Amino acid sequence: EDQVTQSPEALRLQEGESSSLNCSYTVSGLRGLFWYRQDPGKGPEFLFTLYSAGEEKEKERLKATLTKKESFLHITAPKPEDSATYLCAVRLYSGGGADGLTFGKGTHLIIQP
Amino acid sequence: NAGVTQTPKFQVLKTGQSMTLQCAQDMNHEYMSWYRQDPGMGLRLIHYSVGAGITDQGEVPNGYNVSRSTTEDFPLRLLSAAPSQTSVYFCASSHGSIYEQYFGPGTRLTVT
Repeated sequence: EDQVTQSPEALRLQEGESSSLNCSYTVSGLRGLFWYRQDPGKGPEFLFTLYSAGEEKEKERLKATLTKKESFLHITAPKPEDSATYLCAVRLYSGGGADGLTFGKGTHLIIQP
Repeated sequence: NAGVTQTPKFQVLKTGQSMTLQCAQDMNHEYMSWYRQDPGMGLRLIHYSVGAGITDQGEVPNGYNVSRSTTEDFPLRLLSAAPSQTSVYFCASSHGSIYEQYFGPGTRLTVT
C-alpha cells in the first residue's frame, strides 16, 4: 500500500539550531512531492514542489531535497516564527486511482527563543 | 485575489441533519478538491474535480456528495450527518493535479 511517513512526529529546537525533517514514501510511481506549512487553526500553506530525484528548492531558511525514496526539509538557523506543523504530501496518480495528494501526519516543530 | 474561501468557519449539526459546505476560488483553477483532517491522521481526500461538470471520488467519499457546475465553486454536501464526520474540512484548488494546491481556511464541523 502506498504510504507517506514523516519523522520525527515532534521536534523542539532552540532558536538558531539547524535540523532536518524527513518524509519517506513507498509508492509505485511518484508524480510530485509537496511540502506545506500549517499553523494552528489555519489551512496548509504551500512551500515547495519537487518532481525528480536530485531536485532541490530553497526559500529563506528552508531547503527541500528529494531522493528516490525520501525528502528532507532542512531548516537553517530557525526563528520562533518557523514554529508550525510541516506536512509532506505525494501525488500518486498512475492512471487508475484517485488523482489527489496523499499526506503524511506531519512534524510539529517548536522553535524556542 | 481572495484565493480559496470556505463558509462557514464553524458548524454544529445533529446526527441525521444535512448541510452544504461552500468552497469558492477566484484563481481560475480547473482542479478543486476536498480533504478532511482528523487528529493523528494526515489529510484525506474526499472528492475532487478536474473541471466544471467533472467530479470523482477520493479516498474517503462515503457520506459526501459534490457537484461542479462552475469553475469557481465546489460545494460539499453531507446528506445525513454522522458523528464520524466530525472533522475539519479543507477545500483546495490548483491549475491541475500535478501542480501545487492552495488551501482554504477550513470549516470545523461537529456532529452530535
